[in-house]
Amino acid sequence: DIQMTQSPASLSASLGETVTIECRASEDIYNGLAWYQQKPGKSPQLLIYNANSLHTGVPSRFSGSGSGTQYSLKINSLQSEDVASYFCQQYYDYPYTFGAGTKLELK
Amino acid sequence: EVQLVESGGSLVQPGGSLKLSCVASGYTFSNYWMDWVRQTPGKSLEWIGEINTDGSKTNYAPSIKDRFTISRDNAKSTLYLQMSNVKSDDTAIYYCTRPSGGWFAYWGQGTLVTVSS
Repeated sequence: DIQMTQSPASLSASLGETVTIECRASEDIYNGLAWYQQKPGKSPQLLIYNANSLHTGVPSRFSGSGSGTQYSLKINSLQSEDVASYFCQQYYDYPYTFGAGTKLELK
Repeated sequence: EVQLVESGGSLVQPGGSLKLSCVASGYTFSNYWMDWVRQTPGKSLEWIGEINTDGSKTNYAPSIKDRFTISRDNAKSTLYLQMSNVKSDDTAIYYCTRPSGGWFAYWGQGTLVTVSS
């Protein structure tokens, strides 16, 4: 299985700040990577697919980048509604696997 | 609007069986593969498996293979997850999802399965 190592596990940031979350795959996943946001008590919501494609309706302050085994999610100008947990997922190979998540809080 | 509504979650004893359902609406169910994903109490997400459009092909995560079976009834726009010989590690919220090229744009609200004696 491809292991997805996500960091940091938790993050505290201020409103308006830029935040970056990293995801490292145990092997090359050729941009087969998605990012999700999950708010408490809710289902995960797709933010980014194919490493850098913004899903419909997702604010442009979210962006994804990376290649090979290293990927990142950046949130520009952090808003209060961005407080959530974030997960990466690889779909390059079966079984699809997820990172352990990053819990983002306001400072 | 795409809607996925799971049901069937409950308390089940170790070694028991349970069948989850997911009713889809807002799109032509028979045109899309469907997947199940679960989220454990520790909050990590785990892909369980998928089924193709006519139900003739399935793929499963090695961790649940041979214990869980995914099926579908296109006439009822319903996806199923048959769980057998359940273990405490199967305690989780189970989501049905509609994939697009491997990523999941649509999720249900989830149904809770608790395995405990």
